[in-house]
Amino acid sequence: QKEVEQDPGPLSVPEGAIVSLNCTYSNSAFQYFMWYRQYSRKGPELLMYTYSSGNKEDGRFTAQVDKSSKYISLFIRDSQPSDSATYLCAMRDAQGGSEKLVFGKGTKLTVNP
Amino acid sequence: GAGVSQSPRYKVAKRGQDVALRCDPISGHVSLFWYQQALGQGPEFLTYFQNEAQLDKSGLPSDRFFAERPEGSVSTLKIQRTQQEDSAVYLCASSPDGNTEAFFGQGTRLTVV
Repeated sequence: QKEVEQDPGPLSVPEGAIVSLNCTYSNSAFQYFMWYRQYSRKGPELLMYTYSSGNKEDGRFTAQVDKSSKYISLFIRDSQPSDSATYLCAMRDAQGGSEKLVFGKGTKLTVNP
Repeated sequence: GAGVSQSPRYKVAKRGQDVALRCDPISGHVSLFWYQQALGQGPEFLTYFQNEAQLDKSGLPSDRFFAERPEGSVSTLKIQRTQQEDSAVYLCASSPDGNTEAFFGQGTRLTVV
């Protein structure tokens, strides 16, 4: 079992839909949770960065972390064709001195006009 | 300012050839990471530097992989005697201090034929 599980999709939605993306994880030491967006043939870019449990909102994006369930989510409201990309969850712990990120497989999202 | 720059963008190597991949991090960033991203997968951690010190190399898949950052700025990932399974996108990321956002480069796409 991988440390971080993410459904690879693909996920196809109409423009304006609410999108829900999720990851589960097994390492209870993870404290920092991130969502990256990756366009084709580009590097990942950070969308949301959350420490510990709770919600964080930024424009059309909301990140949720439920540490008790080891489950994180990203919601995209009023989705746009420009949101079409692969969304990667990533997380790391705060121990051990290494700042490495552990990524999910990524979910490929297509928003159709 | 400029982001993380990687070169070359694309590299085709014959099996058994040695390759060197370069990463220019954002100026002043202390932490530098290398990740390997296979097709359809999330990035996998390879190694991590804080300044010139290689603090974690637990992700390097074999002793054919070697990374250095001699002056705490530019980093090179070297792969000796390349194999077909080394074909992937190699991503470099830098961070001001390892505890905050990591900025990714565009990656180097390595194809071993």
